[in-house]
Amino acid sequence: DQQVKQNSPSLSVQEGRISILNCDYTNSMFDYFLWYKKYPAEGPTFLISISSIKDKNEDGRFTVFLNKSAKHLSLHIVPSQPGDSAVYFCAAGRDNTDKLIFGTGTRLQVFP
Amino acid sequence: DVKVTQSSRYLVKRTGEKVFLECVQDMDHENMFWYRQDPGLGLRLIYFSYDVKMKEKGDIPEGYSVSREKKERFSLILESASTNQTSMYLCASSIRVSGNTIYFGEGSWLTVV
Repeated sequence: DQQVKQNSPSLSVQEGRISILNCDYTNSMFDYFLWYKKYPAEGPTFLISISSIKDKNEDGRFTVFLNKSAKHLSLHIVPSQPGDSAVYFCAAGRDNTDKLIFGTGTRLQVFP
Repeated sequence: DVKVTQSSRYLVKRTGEKVFLECVQDMDHENMFWYRQDPGLGLRLIYFSYDVKMKEKGDIPEGYSVSREKKERFSLILESASTNQTSMYLCASSIRVSGNTIYFGEGSWLTVV
């Protein structure tokens, strides 16, 4: 049973526009959520996180929104740049465990 | 900077061979993880260790074992490699603080023929 879902396997966005990546989860007990970015042949790198007690966290061009009632989070990238082209994974965890559960990933392509 | 180093980036092994994937981290992290990444399946946790000699099964432990004799080193062992274990394997580490990020190595591409 997939507790963290990314229903869009790919997304294509023009440079300068907004990229919105979505993630849904089923377990209302998750305490925090993270986004990771992965380039081909490299390991994932941490991008941004949000606690379940917040509904928004911003870091430069990246903003994560959390809607607990809908069990949904999204990552907004504004403006999108070609270097943002990568696979993005959302992940969720609980305070009583150090393990993260990852989604299936969304491949973002930013074209000129 | 946190450094998680996976000793082999690309390996080709034959079916039935015993395979060792080694991982070392240099930040004195308590937790270490082994994930595999497959298209359409995301990152799936194989095993997790929160201390030396301690291990916990993840979501897909079948066909794998692990060893953690030293804090900085976490090994993944495929006792008898099979073709369905062809994948990208990712080692990661973190400190034992809830909500903290985990740091990944660059990955090991394993092909079993």
